[in-house]
Amino acid sequence: GQNIDQPTEMTATEGAIVQINCTYQTSGFNGLFWYQQHAGEAPTFLSYNVLDGLEEKGRFSSFLSRSKGYSYLLLKELQMKDSASYLCAVSNSNYQLIWGAGTKLIIKP
Amino acid sequence: TAGITQAPTSQILAAGRSMTLRCTQDMRHNAMYWYRQDLGLGLRLIHYSNTAGTTGKGEVPDGYSVSRANTDDFPLTLASAVPSQTSVYFCASSDSVEQDTQYFGPGTRLTVL
Repeated sequence: GQNIDQPTEMTATEGAIVQINCTYQTSGFNGLFWYQQHAGEAPTFLSYNVLDGLEEKGRFSSFLSRSKGYSYLLLKELQMKDSASYLCAVSNSNYQLIWGAGTKLIIKP
Repeated sequence: TAGITQAPTSQILAAGRSMTLRCTQDMRHNAMYWYRQDLGLGLRLIHYSNTAGTTGKGEVPDGYSVSRANTDDFPLTLASAVPSQTSVYFCASSDSVEQDTQYFGPGTRLTVL
């Protein structure tokens, strides 16, 4: 079967750094996406990795290791507005996105 | 730019009734998708369309149908709603199917009683 695993919930402090992990097992691999979803809103695109390594985009970075079936999203200088769910999704051999259940990130002052 | 719009925003529906959820995009994207999102589960693909005139089944297509008569519109129809179809439904689009970012509409919250 195909599955994406990520922690259900994480808590971090404003101004700190947090790493959200994602492991995957899919039929084929054509890239990994991270999306942010605030409560009651639509998912919005954060990052895309298709090659191994780190992609940095401002306060957010995403890492991929295809051999390990592993990715992480790194959020630096956390702000209260970063409180949201973070969704990991893998594009499989049919280019269909397989989604994790999401990690709810709670930021405390 | 509106991006993707969905209607209605929310709806309460009696079991056995039919309903069409509307989705329109103005980005001239070729591919469109319907997902449902349930608590504790990842987004699950219901149906998709790679281009106008074609549709395909996703992971959970039973009880749903779609059509893609033109590039902009991708309606989702529930022929005879059941309580297990209570969910939040998201429409999304991408320029192409291959390795392309999907952009989401605001969602429709559907309750079937």
